[in-house]
Amino acid sequence: GAGVSQTPSNKVTEKGKYVELRCDPISGHTALYWYRQSLGQGPEFLIYFQGTGAADDSGLPNDRFFAVRPEGSVSTLKIQRTERGDSAVYLCASSPTRATDTQYFGPGTRLTVL
Amino acid sequence: DAKTTQPTSMDCAEGRAANLPCNHSTISGNEYVYWYRQIHSQGPQYIIHGLKNNETNEMASLIITEDRKSSTLILPHATLRDTAVYYCMLNAGGTSYGKLTFGQGTILTVHP
Repeated sequence: GAGVSQTPSNKVTEKGKYVELRCDPISGHTALYWYRQSLGQGPEFLIYFQGTGAADDSGLPNDRFFAVRPEGSVSTLKIQRTERGDSAVYLCASSPTRATDTQYFGPGTRLTVL
Repeated sequence: DAKTTQPTSMDCAEGRAANLPCNHSTISGNEYVYWYRQIHSQGPQYIIHGLKNNETNEMASLIITEDRKSSTLILPHATLRDTAVYYCMLNAGGTSYGKLTFGQGTILTVHP
C-alpha cells in the first residue's frame, strides 16, 4: 500500500518568506508526527497529532512554526518569516493508533532558506 | 528522559552478521527498545522493537539483556544495502506520546 508522502520534496525559499510543507499519512493512521533533521544529526521531534488535535507540540522551536491537521488526515507544517537556520529536512511519520505503535516515515522535504 | 548510547561507527563484511550494540542503563519498566535505520537521503525505516523478550522478524533480531540495560541488533547476513545509520531508541508512549528521541546513531558500513 501507499506509504507516507510529503510534498514538495525540495523547497528553496528566501529569508523572511512563508512556507508550507505537506504530509499525507498512511490511510487510517490516527497518529502523525513531524520531525526536523539538520545535516549530520538525527531527527528531532517537533509535534505530535492524535486525530485533529496537537497532543504534544513541545518540540516546535518558536512561534514561527505551526502545524495543523484539520480533518485528522493530511497535515501542514507552516513556517513564518523563515530564517537560514530553518534549513533542514522536515520528516513526517504516522502510526496506526497509539503513541507506542511503530512510526512509518515519509521521504522528507528538504527546505533551503537562502 | 532515558537515553541510549551507541558506538559512532562500525564496519561489517558483506555476508557476515552485523551486531550493533546499544546501552540504555536508565530504561524504565514501560519503555520499549526500538531500532530504526536511515539510508542516505531517505526517511528513517522501522526495523524492530521489543520490551524484554528477544524478537526476530524478516529484517533482524533483537536481543535484550535480562536486566534490560542493553540490547543488540543483529543483521544475520549483511548486504551492501544495509549500509546506513542505525538508531536505537526508547519509546514508552504515555506522557512521552510516542515521540522518538534520535541520538547520533551508529554508522554501519558494509564492505564487499
